[in-house]
Amino acid sequence: AQKVTQAQTEISVVEKEDVTLDCVYETRDTTYYLFWYKQPPSGELVFLIRRNSFDEQNEISGRYSWNFQKSTSSFNFTITASQVVDSAVYFCALSGNTGFQKLVFGTGTRLLVSP
Amino acid sequence: NAGVMQNPRHLVRRRGQEARLRCSPVKGHSHVYWYRQLPEEGLKFMVYLQKENIIDESGMPKERFSAEFPKEGPSILRIQQVVRGDSAAYFCASSPPDRVVGYTFGSGTRLTVV
Repeated sequence: AQKVTQAQTEISVVEKEDVTLDCVYETRDTTYYLFWYKQPPSGELVFLIRRNSFDEQNEISGRYSWNFQKSTSSFNFTITASQVVDSAVYFCALSGNTGFQKLVFGTGTRLLVSP
Repeated sequence: NAGVMQNPRHLVRRRGQEARLRCSPVKGHSHVYWYRQLPEEGLKFMVYLQKENIIDESGMPKERFSAEFPKEGPSILRIQQVVRGDSAAYFCASSPPDRVVGYTFGSGTRLTVV
């Protein structure tokens, strides 16, 4: 069975601090995809990144960076110099290569960035 | 370049009524997925459909819930005789045949049962 664990329920930081959101996953598939989504207070899901299990290179996009480590089954997300607009719930998700793409979501981490 | 369109954005139903949620996929996408997000929880897969076919409904409650994706028109998630526990956000996603690239979520329908 596939499982995604986001152990941090809520994180509070002050603006300009760096913050890392943890994601640990379980899967028996050899090919799989990992995702991060942002859900702002307005409620929609904003796609942030998709990573293939064969690509372990870390990725940076502006203030966002992702660290994928297959050895520890982790796909952590770091926001550098956080801003108030980063306040949201962040979900990590996993999809296996079982014939169709059903995403398994973690329970989310609520990030509160105060001025 | 319209994304996945869900309507209504908000839906209020009294206990015992029917709720019909609509999802129009991205043009050219032939696969539709429905997810449910209960308050303060992550999204849970409900059902996966292709045109005129239900491929996987392993996440659908056994009673009162049904889904369709007809040859023409939007996908419909139907909840009969709603109860308070059905109050949630329902998200639809669509994807092209290769299923991963372009997997896109709609903005969701917030169902409130009073």
